[in-house]
Amino acid sequence: NAGVTQTPKFRILKIGQSMTLQCAQDMNHNYMYWYRQDPGMGLKLIYYSVGAGITDKGEVPNGYNVSRSTTEDFPLRLELAAPSQTSVYFCASSFGTSGRVDEQFFGPGTRLTVL
Amino acid sequence: EDKVVQSPLSLVVHEGDTVTLNCSYEVTNFRSLLWYKQEKKAPTFLFMLTSSGIEKKSGRLSSILDKKELFSILNITATQTGDSAVYLCAVEPDNAGNMLTFGGGTRLMVKP
Repeated sequence: NAGVTQTPKFRILKIGQSMTLQCAQDMNHNYMYWYRQDPGMGLKLIYYSVGAGITDKGEVPNGYNVSRSTTEDFPLRLELAAPSQTSVYFCASSFGTSGRVDEQFFGPGTRLTVL
Repeated sequence: EDKVVQSPLSLVVHEGDTVTLNCSYEVTNFRSLLWYKQEKKAPTFLFMLTSSGIEKKSGRLSSILDKKELFSILNITATQTGDSAVYLCAVEPDNAGNMLTFGGGTRLMVKP
């Protein structure tokens, strides 16, 4: 089991460029999440998905888009990158079984800098 | 709006010391509280607490939840340099689809 994988590990973007952060999990988890973590801060939820074809906004969704066409993959798209999007991005997944409290498993993160 | 506040922001101790990290929360329809340890990369899971007053323990780490006073503490005894990390507390409201609200973390440094 690879767990939760993310690519790339690092990326530098120019203002206005676009990119997609990739996330995949091989644990057959239903729920997947994208967080951002600014320096010295906790994690803030950007988007989440409770299953293939279903996505919803988290706390800080502006400037991002997601899709969930398969159970395994949950890419995060940045359109028109801005310096405020400089952050470390974490993808996570959990079983998400109804009535059950599940821990979330995190990927290694993508460090993004927008200049 | 759900809110999680951790204290202190940072802490420096020496090996062998005991530390207590605090997490207070305001959330509607509480379901669970989770503690994570974050070293250089991804957070790794430590504990999940759902019932008040029950202590969860793993080696030198333990945690307890007070649902009446809306806080949790994480204790680390006989600290080691390998305990140096950011400790994150997160709260899951009920019916929130496993969505977590994180606190800002406590940065712990353990000196030899």
